[in-house]
Amino acid sequence: GAVVSQHPSRVICKSGTSVKIECRSLDFQATTMFWYRQFPKQSLMLMATSNEGSKATYEQGVEKDKFLINHASLTLSTLTVTSAHPEDSSFYICSAASRPKEGYTFGSGTRLTVV
Amino acid sequence: GENVEQHPSTLSVQEGDSAVIKCTYSDSASNYFPWYKQELGKGPQLIIDIRSNVGEKKDQRIAVTLNKTAKHFSLHITETQPEDSAVYFCAAPWGDRSSGGGADGLTFGKGTHLIIQP
Repeated sequence: GAVVSQHPSRVICKSGTSVKIECRSLDFQATTMFWYRQFPKQSLMLMATSNEGSKATYEQGVEKDKFLINHASLTLSTLTVTSAHPEDSSFYICSAASRPKEGYTFGSGTRLTVV
Repeated sequence: GENVEQHPSTLSVQEGDSAVIKCTYSDSASNYFPWYKQELGKGPQLIIDIRSNVGEKKDQRIAVTLNKTAKHFSLHITETQPEDSAVYFCAAPWGDRSSGGGADGLTFGKGTHLIIQP
């Protein structure tokens, strides 16, 4: 079945630095990539949607200048958390949708801790 | 947008018994309803999904039922086993142009912590 590889699985960074998270679709072309954030014991919340070659669409309350999303190819999307602060510490999960539309495949998540 | 409500938040059942988790949704245009299992520290894994042209789908011990009129869908797990213990999420596509997955992000329910008692 469809596989989405997400790296790194865990990252610890200092406050004020930037962190990049990668999400790759391994055996299919992901026309649309989604980025979610999940705080402890809470549900997944959609942060942004990106279509290959287009600018990402951000959900209300998500700062586009802080969470930079690049979806330059049909198999790779990246999320960069810029000038990270402790409140950005969370579990970030990507999801990819393929062509033809067959549902959503999720990555394994990235645990970001900002110290 | 879509609003998804999920109940219960915690469910404890004896091993071997059945578990049922229910969700309601608000957008009548939604026609794709997945269920995910999430274990601690991992991403969600799709366990079953249903599209609106059918009312029920079964895969071994897992089944999903859909009532489009009432806008609710349910997950049924029979003969529960210890490895079924996890958090389960229902979801529905965001927006009013959903067409079975692909263009729209998912709105998730708040999750159900399923505990299987040995």
